[in-house]
Amino acid sequence: GENVEQHPSTLSVQEGDSAVIKCTYSDSASNYFPWYKQELGKRPQLIIDIRSNVGEKKDQRIAVTLNKTAKHFSLHITETQPEDSAVYFCAAQMDSSYKLIFGSGTRLLVRP
Amino acid sequence: EAQVTQNPRYLITVTGKKLTVTCSQNMNHEYMSWYRQDPGLGLRQIYYSMNVEVTDKGDVPEGYKVSRKEKRNFPLILESPSPNQTSLYFCASSVVALHSYNSPLHFGNGTRLTVT
Repeated sequence: GENVEQHPSTLSVQEGDSAVIKCTYSDSASNYFPWYKQELGKRPQLIIDIRSNVGEKKDQRIAVTLNKTAKHFSLHITETQPEDSAVYFCAAQMDSSYKLIFGSGTRLLVRP
Repeated sequence: EAQVTQNPRYLITVTGKKLTVTCSQNMNHEYMSWYRQDPGLGLRQIYYSMNVEVTDKGDVPEGYKVSRKEKRNFPLILESPSPNQTSLYFCASSVVALHSYNSPLHFGNGTRLTVT
């Protein structure tokens, strides 16, 4: 079955710097890759996603890139702010499956 | 307000005492799912339901039961809880099973369960 690996498990950056979180997936049939943000004590919420027919997608300070050949995708946050501090989860889904497989999460700390 | 409501938020129980965590959504979503969140393991799917009376196992179904008698409700049942089921549980729903930006997973607020 599908497996999603996420790195790093923790990431500490200075406010204003960029942060990059990487995920790899095992099943080449996966074609939908969302990213969820979970603030402390709160529920995960979708922040951005990408489908396999697109290589990059941007939304203000966040972007996601996808390399289908290498089977990995990344979340990029530019000009980080303290409110970006949270746990971020990547996930992958195949159209033939009704399972959304999550990575293990990255705890991002943005130091003021 | 569109939301997924879980109850209770916190639950402490003893080994073997049956419990139910309720989940209700008011968005007329077809797809509902239960996840458990453990440190270093991310979100792992327990059970999911594609519609009324249609349920299936996720990746970690052992020790859990679910039912989907009505579209809005998807309770999680632990018939005989054990300490290894101590975890943070999330219910989630989406318009349809195939997720997209138009059909993202909406999560409940979570239920922190401790089994002693």
